[in-house]
Amino acid sequence: GAVVSQHPSRVICKSGTSVKIECRSLDFQATTMFWYRQFPKQSLMLMATSNEGSKATYEQGVEKDKFLINHASLTLSTLTVTSAHPEDSSFYICSARSIPGTSGGSYEQYFGPGTRLTVT
Amino acid sequence: GDSVTQMEGPVTLSEEAFLTINCTYTATGYPSLFWYVQYPGEGLQLLLKATKADDKGSNKGFEATYRKETTSFHLEKGSVQVSDSAVYFCALTAGGTSYGKLTFGQGTILTVHP
Repeated sequence: GAVVSQHPSRVICKSGTSVKIECRSLDFQATTMFWYRQFPKQSLMLMATSNEGSKATYEQGVEKDKFLINHASLTLSTLTVTSAHPEDSSFYICSARSIPGTSGGSYEQYFGPGTRLTVT
Repeated sequence: GDSVTQMEGPVTLSEEAFLTINCTYTATGYPSLFWYVQYPGEGLQLLLKATKADDKGSNKGFEATYRKETTSFHLEKGSVQVSDSAVYFCALTAGGTSYGKLTFGQGTILTVHP
C-alpha cells in the first residue's frame, strides 16, 4: 500500500531556532501534499497545501513566513518552522495525494505518522 | 464554510458491543465523506468513504451511509473488538478546486474492553 513517511518523528528545539520536517511519499508520486497541525485532544487543522514546483497555498491565519513549505519533487515536501516559540509546539501531520494510477487509487490521501515538535 | 461535527467521546464499550459514532456535516455542493482511524502511535488511515448520496462505505466490519437529507455519515459496527480501540475522525472534502482539502471533525476516542 501507499506509504508516507515523516522525519523526524519527534524533535525538541530551543526557542528562536528553526526546525525542518520532511514528508515523503515512498512508493507513489504526489503532486499535492497537505500539512496539518493537531493540538492535544483536538482535530486536525489544515495549515497549507503544497503543490510540486509552485508556491504553497496557506489557510487563513497561518503565517507563511513562519511556516515555510517547499515541495521540490513529486515525493518530498518540507515544512520549516522558523524562529520557533513554545506556542508552536504541536503535532504536525502531512498527507500526500496520489496521482491516479500511481498507487492504484484516484486522488487518495495518505497520511504520515506525524512529527511531535516541542519548543522549550 | 464547511464543517464536520462528531459525537463527543470518549466512547467505552465492551467487546462485541454495537458501535455508533455520529457525524453530521455542513458543506456547499456535494462533498465526499470519509472516516479515518488513528491507532495509537500511528498516522491516520482511511477506513471508508462515500462520494455521493446514498452510497454506503464499508471496511473491516465498519459501515457508514451518506445521508444527504440529514447531512449525516454515522459510523457503525455490529460487534467491536479490542483492536478497534483508536481515535476515529469524520471528514469531508468538497469538489471543484478545493478537492483534496479535508475538513475534519474533532475526533472520537473509542476504547473497547475485553
